[in-house]
Amino acid sequence: EAQVTQNPRYLITVTGKKLTVTCSQNMNHEYMSWYRQDPGLGLRQIYYSMNVEVTDKGDVPEGYKVSRKEKRNFPLILESPSPNQTSLYFCASSLFGAHQGQPQHFGDGTRLSIL
Amino acid sequence: AQKITQTQPGMFVQEKEAVTLDCTYDTSDQSYGLFWYKQPSSGEMIFLIYQGSYDEQNATEGRYSLNFQKARKSANLVISASQLGDSAMYFCAIPRLGSARQLTFGSGTQLTVLP
Repeated sequence: EAQVTQNPRYLITVTGKKLTVTCSQNMNHEYMSWYRQDPGLGLRQIYYSMNVEVTDKGDVPEGYKVSRKEKRNFPLILESPSPNQTSLYFCASSLFGAHQGQPQHFGDGTRLSIL
Repeated sequence: AQKITQTQPGMFVQEKEAVTLDCTYDTSDQSYGLFWYKQPSSGEMIFLIYQGSYDEQNATEGRYSLNFQKARKSANLVISASQLGDSAMYFCAIPRLGSARQLTFGSGTQLTVLP
């Protein structure tokens, strides 16, 4: 089954404790992206990647790191999480960005709470 | 800069009735596309339908169709024969100006289907 898999689905942790949210897609997509969703602010893009070893900042990259060492994986790293990073996070992938109607396929989301 | 407006924060519809969710956008790109996504209360983001700006016909996908008015820069989602399972948040999205690497999302419309 074609899918984007995020782990964990839920995480409660404490300020400053490094964490990684994994994202994997099995559709051989070139493009992958991370978003955060907050009430009243909608979906905001954190980072995106057009291909292996190619990553770019989105609208809200501060406090986050990403890497794209393999085509299928795009982990999101919070080196020193803070409470303002409490949010619902989505990983998404598509064939070539938003060209020619290629929709982004989203993972099920990760609810992250930083205490 | 790209702007997407969904003017209806919340909508109610009776089961089996049709409902239209509004989306207007502002772009100077000549060629672009519009995406609609559904987010049920469980949180996942589900791709519904796509409309290309040069498509001659309005997009349809099962009970979903788009009322695309290019000159007015609107792409309203029509859901026919509403079902209780249609209760969800609905987002429209458009690629960033001059780039298909990032999507700009609207603020969403919360649809509630009443029995």
